[in-house]
Amino acid sequence: KAGVTQTPRYLIKTRGQQVTLSCSPISGHRSVSWYQQTPGQGLQFLFEYFSETQRNKGNFPGRFSGRQFSNSRSEMNVSTLELGDSALYLCASSPPLAGGSTDTQYFGPGTRLTVL
Amino acid sequence: AQSVTQPDIHITVSEGASLELRCNYSYGATPYLFWYVQSPGQGLQLLLKYFSGDTLVQGIKGFEAEFKRSQSSFNLRKPSVHWSDAAEYFCAVGAGVTGGGNKLTFGTGTQLKVEL
Repeated sequence: KAGVTQTPRYLIKTRGQQVTLSCSPISGHRSVSWYQQTPGQGLQFLFEYFSETQRNKGNFPGRFSGRQFSNSRSEMNVSTLELGDSALYLCASSPPLAGGSTDTQYFGPGTRLTVL
Repeated sequence: AQSVTQPDIHITVSEGASLELRCNYSYGATPYLFWYVQSPGQGLQLLLKYFSGDTLVQGIKGFEAEFKRSQSSFNLRKPSVHWSDAAEYFCAVGAGVTGGGNKLTFGTGTQLKVEL
């Protein structure tokens, strides 16, 4: 079974621009979560999507948004980029579980975003 | 709110020596606990997880971890370290069956260096 794939792997943008990152989960997985990893703040949860609905949200400004499609693929968007948005953005997928219980998350390789 | 503490930022061990990485968590209910490993420029790979049952769990690559509720700990161990184990290790906690979905809270990580 193919793993979680993320595109692009590397991205360079300038301040004020917007960016869209894509994540394809493992086949059959319906939950997709996004995390931001930086040297200063570590790994922080952005949001989770399950069956095209946002189920959880972390403490990030509204410039960070996401969506999930009917095939479970997910995108996250960051508008009006700031220097501090430079980070590794990781996507993780999980199999569907009833009741919203935590399940094992399988991570993709990440997208390295650099904001100049 | 859940939190995870990894007290050791850096650890250096000799190849063949035993290893223990510490993890303490804070969560009001029964947590779901994970250990992930990250090599430079890579995503996170799951080493092992604890949901319930036997408090000593076995993982991949010869790693094991023990859940101790009384100490709020989930320490990772390996009896004999290999040079290829050099990487960063993250402990994470999830909300379990309380309906918190797949939001994980990560520790700050422990960087492992292996001396030949």
